[in-house]
This record gives sequence, C-alpha cells and structure tokens, in this order.
Amino acid sequence: AQKVTQAQTEISVVEKEDVTLDCVYETRDTTYYLFWYKQPPSGELVFLIRRNSFDEQNEISGRYSWNFQKSTSSFNFTITASQVVDSAVYFCALSGKTNAGKSTFGDGTTLTVKP
Amino acid sequence: ETGVTQSPTHLIKTRGQQVTLRCSSQSGHNTVSWYQQALGQGPQFIFQYYREEENGRGNFPPRFSGLQFPNYSSELNVNALELDDSALYLCASRGDRNTDTQYFGPGTRLTVL
Repeated sequence: AQKVTQAQTEISVVEKEDVTLDCVYETRDTTYYLFWYKQPPSGELVFLIRRNSFDEQNEISGRYSWNFQKSTSSFNFTITASQVVDSAVYFCALSGKTNAGKSTFGDGTTLTVKP
Repeated sequence: ETGVTQSPTHLIKTRGQQVTLRCSSQSGHNTVSWYQQALGQGPQFIFQYYREEENGRGNFPPRFSGLQFPNYSSELNVNALELDDSALYLCASRGDRNTDTQYFGPGTRLTVL
C-alpha cells in the first residue's frame, strides 16, 4: 500500500520569508513517481513537478526548489522569498510505475503568506 | 490552462438522486482518472479509464461508475447519492497511461442535501 504524509497542516509566513513544505512517503514499489501540486482557492490542481524515483537530483525552478531523499523517503518543497500569490494548499502525491494515474495524495499543507 | 474542462462547476442534489459529471480531456489524451476530494483532504482516486475501458479502481462502491468516449470526453455517474458524496470531483487526463504526468481540470463541486 502507498501512503503520503504531509505533517504540516497549516503554515503561515510573512512575505519574503523562505518556507519548506514536508512530504514523507511509503511505497513497496521500486520505481515510482512523486509529484507536487498547488491548489488555489479556485480548486484546480496545478502541476508543479514530477520526480522519478531513480533520479535523486534536486531541482530548482525560479523560487521553487525540491529536495528528494530516497534514504529518508522524503520529497520536500521549498519556496524562497515567498509572495502573497503563493498562498494555496499544496499537495504531495505518489504513484507507481505501472499506473501513474492512480496517485495517492497527502492531505495537503495550507500555506498562507501575509504581506 | 491544462486543456481539461469539467461541467458543471457546481451542482446541488438531494440524497438518493443520481448525478452525472462530465470531463473533456486534452486532445490526444486517451487516459482519464477521476478523483473525489472531500473538504480538508487530499484527492482520492476513484477509477481510471483507458481507451474506453475501466483500467483501475480505488476503494469506491459500484454506485460510482464511469464512461469514456472516443472524442476524449468522459463521465462520472453516481447513483443513490449519500450525504458523504458531497465533495469536489476532479478529472485528470494524460497521454500515456503509465508514464505521463496527469493534468487536472477545475473540478465539479457536488453538494448532497
């Protein structure tokens, strides 16, 4: 069985602060995919990143960066110099190699960035 | 914009009724998945359709059923609605059923009274 845990239910920061969202996962698959999605109040899930289990390189995209550590089964997401527009619910998700459409999601972290 | 659309945006039904939700996938995406997202929770996988056949199902009863059509549209049908069916229903499409990233639509908010 697969499981994704986002222990931080809510985080509140002041604009320009850095913030890290934690994600810990469990899976018996040797090959799997990890995702982060952003869900603004409108409800649509916005895809941010996909990481394959065999690629442990960290990734940076603008103010966003991701740290994948297979040894600790973690895939953490950092926003540098946060902005009010970053306020949303962020979900970490996991899927196996043979059925990438059947993703297991965490319960999300609500990020509030105050001006 | 993901190219995935859903209708209607909002829907109110009463317990025991039936509902049909619709999704239009990106052109060329032959795989569609449906998710139920209850308030304050992450999406939960309902089922997936690949080339018009069910191709994987989550822990949902048979009164949740679906259809996929050749024109990249799909439906989620729920019979005998229960109060706990109130949720945001999301569809997601992708091109290859095993490897591609899936892209989500804006969802349908269903309220069961």
